Amino acid sequence: AAGVIQSPRHLIKEKRETATLKCYPIPRHDTVYWYQQGPGQDPQFLISFYEKMQSDKGSIPDRFSAQQFSDYHSELNMSSLELGDSALYFCASSPTRATYNEQFFGPGTRLTVL
Amino acid sequence: SQKIEQNSEALNIQEGKTATLTCNYTNYSPAYLQWYRQDPGRGPVFLLLIRENEKEKRKERLKVTFDTTLKQSLFHITASQPADSATYLCALVYYGGSQGNLIFGKGTKLSVKP
Repeated sequence: AAGVIQSPRHLIKEKRETATLKCYPIPRHDTVYWYQQGPGQDPQFLISFYEKMQSDKGSIPDRFSAQQFSDYHSELNMSSLELGDSALYFCASSPTRATYNEQFFGPGTRLTVL
Repeated sequence: SQKIEQNSEALNIQEGKTATLTCNYTNYSPAYLQWYRQDPGRGPVFLLLIRENEKEKRKERLKVTFDTTLKQSLFHITASQPADSATYLCALVYYGGSQGNLIFGKGTKLSVKP
């Protein structure tokens, strides 16, 4: 079965650079979530989209922005990168907006900021 | 603010025994609670969901209980196997915006020794 696809899987950037992470949800899933997981930490909710509209916002820094496109894929744009942005970034999708349904997580993008 | 705690950072048990993981929450009354499994460097995988009006849920060797009076959920793995070794995360659904999103606990790292 198709799973959530994230690219790139690994990314190395310098401080103050910009990064773009991509997420391709499972076909027919219309809701996408982004999470950030620091080393030894739990996943922290950043932002979610439903039907291409921002649905909810968590602890996402102002330096980050995201959108969902007409084909339902989503991109997380990160600017003025800081050392503390080094983390695993997960995208998850679900077939419905209702959060009591399970979320299907991608393999993550490991971002390292030097 | 909402807080979710998993009592043990690590749990070591012998193969064949029952593993019991605890999840406590404060300052919130979630309608649903979910459990996920996460292997190192990979995205969380959904295991079980339990609703506030359900006392217990089972799936194969897994059992989850939900006590809204104690604000606690217990996650049991019976007849544990080394392949069950992973980090287990509990997550509650938080309706802070237009839809719910997940707040994760920090996880319990389970090691099952042969």
